[in-house]
Amino acid sequence: QVQLQESGPGLVKPSQTLSLTCTVSGGSISSDDYYWTWIRQHPGKGLEWVGYISHTGDTYFTPSLRGRVTTSLDTSKKQFSLNLTSVTAADTAVYFCARTKSDWRYFDFWGQGILVTVSS
Amino acid sequence: DIQMTQSPSSLSASIGDRVTMSCRAGQHINRFLNWYQQKPGKAPNFLISAASSVQSAVPSRFSASGSGTDFTLTISSLQPEDFATYYCQQSYVPPYTFGLGTSLEIK
Repeated sequence: QVQLQESGPGLVKPSQTLSLTCTVSGGSISSDDYYWTWIRQHPGKGLEWVGYISHTGDTYFTPSLRGRVTTSLDTSKKQFSLNLTSVTAADTAVYFCARTKSDWRYFDFWGQGILVTVSS
Repeated sequence: DIQMTQSPSSLSASIGDRVTMSCRAGQHINRFLNWYQQKPGKAPNFLISAASSVQSAVPSRFSASGSGTDFTLTISSLQPEDFATYYCQQSYVPPYTFGLGTSLEIK
């Protein structure tokens, strides 16, 4: 059974960088069959797709965050990461990592989510 | 970005009821439409891919259909564990946008 687990600080100061890691267990992170995705959910709101990285390092991000967001993959550690710079209170959200099936692009396994609050 | 519109935004129903909820895409997305169930404080749970392909662990009371721009999710006989928020998500072209959800509540 594939499992994903987010980790990182729960509190980030405005203008600083939000950095999260997702650790994958129970499956390969190097397969052509999957992308590795970040999704966030503002408190009490719906889901917002942030972006993905493939095992070859191809990335795609939602336009509203482009320029502030990067992601990387460490296959040896079975981890992928999210970095979001210059954060504001609008970036306060629960951040989920998820596995994405590369053909139909659905998110079949999710982490439990981590709440990141941007506040001084 | 492709806008996804779900209706209704909330729905009250009783155990045993049949319920249907809708999802409309702002442009043609073929069958690249997926459904998720989310309970409070939990990660979404993947239910259905490619508009109508129900995942193996999902109870048979769940079904879905649609193509193009209009899609539906049906629960044939509501069980207590089905009360949750349901999201559709288009995977036709990035960014892979979600609808705002349909909140299914106990009447």
